[in-house]
Amino acid sequence: AQSVTQPDIHITVSEGASLELRCNYSYGATPYLFWYVQSPGQGLQLLLKYFSGDTLVQGIKGFEAEFKRSQSSFNLRKPSVHWSDAAEYFCAAAPRSYSGGGADGLTFGKGTHLIIQP
Amino acid sequence: NAGVTQTPKFRVLKTGQSMTLLCAQDMNHEYMYWYRQDPGMGLRLIHYSVGEGTTAKGEVPDGYNVSRLKKQNFLLGLESAAPSQTSVYFCASSYYWGAGDTQYFGPGTRLTVL
Repeated sequence: AQSVTQPDIHITVSEGASLELRCNYSYGATPYLFWYVQSPGQGLQLLLKYFSGDTLVQGIKGFEAEFKRSQSSFNLRKPSVHWSDAAEYFCAAAPRSYSGGGADGLTFGKGTHLIIQP
Repeated sequence: NAGVTQTPKFRVLKTGQSMTLLCAQDMNHEYMYWYRQDPGMGLRLIHYSVGEGTTAKGEVPDGYNVSRLKKQNFLLGLESAAPSQTSVYFCASSYYWGAGDTQYFGPGTRLTVL
C-alpha cells in the first residue's frame, strides 16, 4: 500500500538555525510530492510541490525541498528559521494518474511539529 | 474571493445525532475533497468529488455520506454520530485532478461527539 512517512514527530530548532524535515514515500511509481504547513487553528497551506524536472524545488516563505529518487525521499529545508515558522508540517503524495479508487487523493504523513527556541 | 469556506467552525453532538458540514468554494474548481485530521494520524481522505453530481469513497468513508448537487458546494453528512467521529474536518478543492494540482484547504470544522 502507498504510504508517506515523516520519521520525526517533533523537532526543536533555535531561531536562525537551519532546518531539515524528513519525508519518505512508498509508491509503485514516483508520485507527485507536496509539503504543506498548518499553523495552529488554521487550515493547510501549500509550501511547495514536485511534479518533474529539477529535483530541487523552491517554495514560499524561503523553503526548499529536494527530491531523491534513489532514497524515495523529499526532504524540506530552510537555511535560517524564524519564530513564525513554528507550525505543523505535512508531507503528502498523490499518484500521477486517476484510477477511480480510494487511493487517488493525497496521502499525508503524520506530520512534524516544529518548535522554535529563541 | 473567499477561497474555501466551511460551516460550522465548531460543533458538539451527542451520540446518535445527525449533522451536515458544508463546504463552499468560489474558485470554480471541479474537484472537492473531505478529510479528517486526528492527532498523530495526519489527514485522511473521507470522500471526494470529481465534478457536480459525482462522489467517490476515499480511505475512511464509513459512517459518512456526501453530496455535490452544486459545483461550488460539497456536503458531508453524519447520519448517526459516534464518538470515533470526533475529529477536525477539512474540506479542499482543486481545479485539476488533485494528484496534479494544488489543493486549497478550508479552515476546518472541529467536531466533538459525546
